[in-house]
Order: sequence, then C-alpha cells, then structure tokens
Amino acid sequence: KQEVTQIPAALSVPEGENLVLNCSFTDSAIYNLQWFRQDPGKGLTSLLLIQSSQREQTSGRLNASLDKSSGRSTLYIAASQPGDSATYLCAVQETSGSRLTFGEGTQLTVNP
Amino acid sequence: DVKVTQSSRYLVKRTGEKVFLECVQDMDHENMFWYRQDPGLGLRLIYFSYDVKMKEKGDIPEGYSVSREKKERFSLILESASTNQTSMYLCASSLLYSPLHFGNGTRLTVT
Repeated sequence: KQEVTQIPAALSVPEGENLVLNCSFTDSAIYNLQWFRQDPGKGLTSLLLIQSSQREQTSGRLNASLDKSSGRSTLYIAASQPGDSATYLCAVQETSGSRLTFGEGTQLTVNP
Repeated sequence: DVKVTQSSRYLVKRTGEKVFLECVQDMDHENMFWYRQDPGLGLRLIYFSYDVKMKEKGDIPEGYSVSREKKERFSLILESASTNQTSMYLCASSLLYSPLHFGNGTRLTVT
C-alpha cells in the first residue's frame, strides 16, 4: 500500500527566505505527483503536477522536483512571503487507477 | 476556471440521522472523489467515481454510500450518522490523470 510522508510537519521562516518542503513515497510506480496548498478551513488548491516522466515543474516562485527512483519530491519556494503561509500537501497518483494518496502536509508560517 | 461546489459549509446532525452531502462540478470531469480530513490522519479517500453510475470504494467506505446519477453531481450519504463521522468532508473532481480540483469542504458535526 502506498504511503506518503512529508517532513517537516511544521516550518516557520522569516519573510524573504528560500525554503524546501519534502515529500517521500514508498511505491515508485506512480503516474504523477501533485502539490497542493490548503488555507485554514478551506479546500485544497492545486499548485503543480509533475508527470512521472518529468524531473521538475515550475510556476512563478515555486519549483517542484521529482526523483521517482528514490521516491522523493521537493517543493522549493523562492523569496517567501507572508501570503505563502498555509499547509502544503503532496499526493501521488498511481498507475493502477485515478486515486491519489496524500501526505499529511507541512504547515508553513512565513513571518513578516 | 473549474468550480466544485459543496452544498453546505457547516452542518450539524444528530446521531442516527441520514445525512446527504452534495457536490457539483461544472467542467464535465469524469472523476469525482470524496475525502475526509482529520487532524493527525490527513486526507483519507472514502469513495470515488470515474463515470456516471460507477463507484469504487476508497480506504474508509464503512458507514458511507455514494450516488452518481449525473456526471456533474456526486453525493455522499451517511446512512446512520455517528459521532466518529464528525469531520471535514472534501469533494474533488478531475479529468483522468489531471490535477484535482477541490470544493471548499463541509464541516460536519454529529452530536
């Protein structure tokens, strides 16, 4: 059974710092990996999707990388801002179907 | 922009009641999902559907059922609500192997 782990569970940084969030998964037979953002009391917003054949995806200040063979992904946030404060979740989509398995998330706080 | 609408933001029900949570998407997506989210347990898949009238059990289907009579609507049914079903319920939709789009969630309290 696929398991997804995110470390750290919580992170607090000063504004302007570059930071890395980590995601690992146990079964490398994935079709894609997705990163989401969740604000308190809200649903999830899709940030980036990396296909299993890709190594990275970029959107603005966000860059996500994927190393399928080692079962790892990172989300890099450049020049962090207080508005980036949220919980970030990664999820893997299996080749066997369309279901996603989620990690528990990293709660990020960016202090002004 | 894709819109996934969940009918209620907050819901309070009594133990034993039958509860319906409704979800509608406006982008003709084949796939629809129901997750619940609990502190310390993350998001857990209850049921998903990849076509009208089709459904698949997720990781925690016990105590729940679903209905998908039309492509745009996916309903989650709690047959007899219990206090351990107090949770945040999240609906999502997607095209096959494309990003998931989530609704804003329904926070259900069962007393």
